[in-house]
Amino acid sequence: DADVTQTPRNRITKTGKRIMLECSQTKGHDRMYWYRQDPGLGLRLIYYSFDVKDINKGEISDGYSVSRQAQAKFSLSLESAIPNQTALYFCATSDLRVPYEQYFGPGTRLTVT
Amino acid sequence: AQSVSQHNHHVILSEAASLELGCNYSYGGTVNLFWYVQYPGQHLQLLLKYFSGDPLVKGIKGFEAEFIKSKFSFNLRKPSVQWSDTAEYFCAVTKTNFGNEKLTFGTGTRLTIIP
Repeated sequence: DADVTQTPRNRITKTGKRIMLECSQTKGHDRMYWYRQDPGLGLRLIYYSFDVKDINKGEISDGYSVSRQAQAKFSLSLESAIPNQTALYFCATSDLRVPYEQYFGPGTRLTVT
Repeated sequence: AQSVSQHNHHVILSEAASLELGCNYSYGGTVNLFWYVQYPGQHLQLLLKYFSGDPLVKGIKGFEAEFIKSKFSFNLRKPSVQWSDTAEYFCAVTKTNFGNEKLTFGTGTRLTIIP
């Protein structure tokens, strides 16, 4: 869905480096989410934000941090990347009025060597 | 905590075969249920959803799912699959209480359709 964009789409980085993944949306949604997808594990929630001043940890937040710079932007940072953070990362958004329906970005494939 | 189980990890079918992918959830309260599809190289897209009402839900591309409350199940079905249905399918659930609308996903089922 072109309404939710993620940059970069692919990234290879080294252990110990700091990296930021960015998500932008033009859907006007209040809520934004970061997931990681690993083979055989499905999608797991890292962080979510219900508005600019509301940030919440998901089930696997250790080693990650987020920033909600504006309603339309939600960034995920890996402060010191490690190889087991190699995964496909998805950003998603949802509307306050229909909170159960989430719209996903195209994903960022991150490889930590 | 709620959880979602998809017991079929990889399903291989021939074109025109019928499909049923299993999904069970563990939460005992009122839930909303979803199936998402991820085509190769693409992001997740909503296939269908159940909020309330008729337990048989119809989605896009000829897919349907049936909510059976007594079995805590929401299985996905399609009477005749096509090669283009090759994808990964994720079941997801969220509780209905406001303020807690986080999706919990199953581990996914990879569907391969053989022409």
